[in-house]
Amino acid sequence: DTEVTQTPKHLVMGMTNKKSLKCEQHMGHRAMYWYKQKAKKPPELMFVYSYEKLSINESVPSRFSPECPNSSLLNLHLHALQPEDSALYLCASSHPAEPQHFGDGTRLSIL
Amino acid sequence: AQKVTQAQTEISVVEKEDVTLDCVYETRDTTYYLFWYKQPPSGELVFLIRRNSFDEQNEISGRYSWNFQKSTSSFNFTITASQVVDSAVYFCALSLGVGANSKLTFGKGITLSVRP
Repeated sequence: DTEVTQTPKHLVMGMTNKKSLKCEQHMGHRAMYWYKQKAKKPPELMFVYSYEKLSINESVPSRFSPECPNSSLLNLHLHALQPEDSALYLCASSHPAEPQHFGDGTRLSIL
Repeated sequence: AQKVTQAQTEISVVEKEDVTLDCVYETRDTTYYLFWYKQPPSGELVFLIRRNSFDEQNEISGRYSWNFQKSTSSFNFTITASQVVDSAVYFCALSLGVGANSKLTFGKGITLSVRP
């Protein structure tokens, strides 16, 4: 079991739906990250939060909306997604000077 | 710009064989960090090692060993006496710092299959 917990593990949604991905860690890490990973590709960074503030947005479309309500929780709100958004979404966290620790990911399918 | 090249895409070995995964990186910065991550079929990226640019010491951890050579910009990973549980995708990555404002640049990954 990882120390970064992501829910749900799998999500199927239509293009008009609104859903959220959740990520939680209790390691006291103050940096949290969202990555998108397509099949047989490396992870691509989407967002970084540092001390609950958005510090990096890698020009991600506005249909993805991150939120960091507290130091342990990171959400990714999804709305009006496209079929090409189907992927594995990985959350990670880290101390400021330490390697990132990843969760199991959420496998998202857009119908 | 930073770049990580993992020229091998798929490797298949029989259990107990040794296998080396190659990683070549490019950066103009003198301070950087190199990483290896393992991704089993479950999806989680498992951190294996971090090495900073000022520490060229090789490292051994059980059946795993890493060879960092700045002269050839390589950070290779060897698994000794491979096991079926080693089957996974292995990513080499580079960052110019650590923490929230440092981005990981990943290689394309190497799919390792260990057959019984």
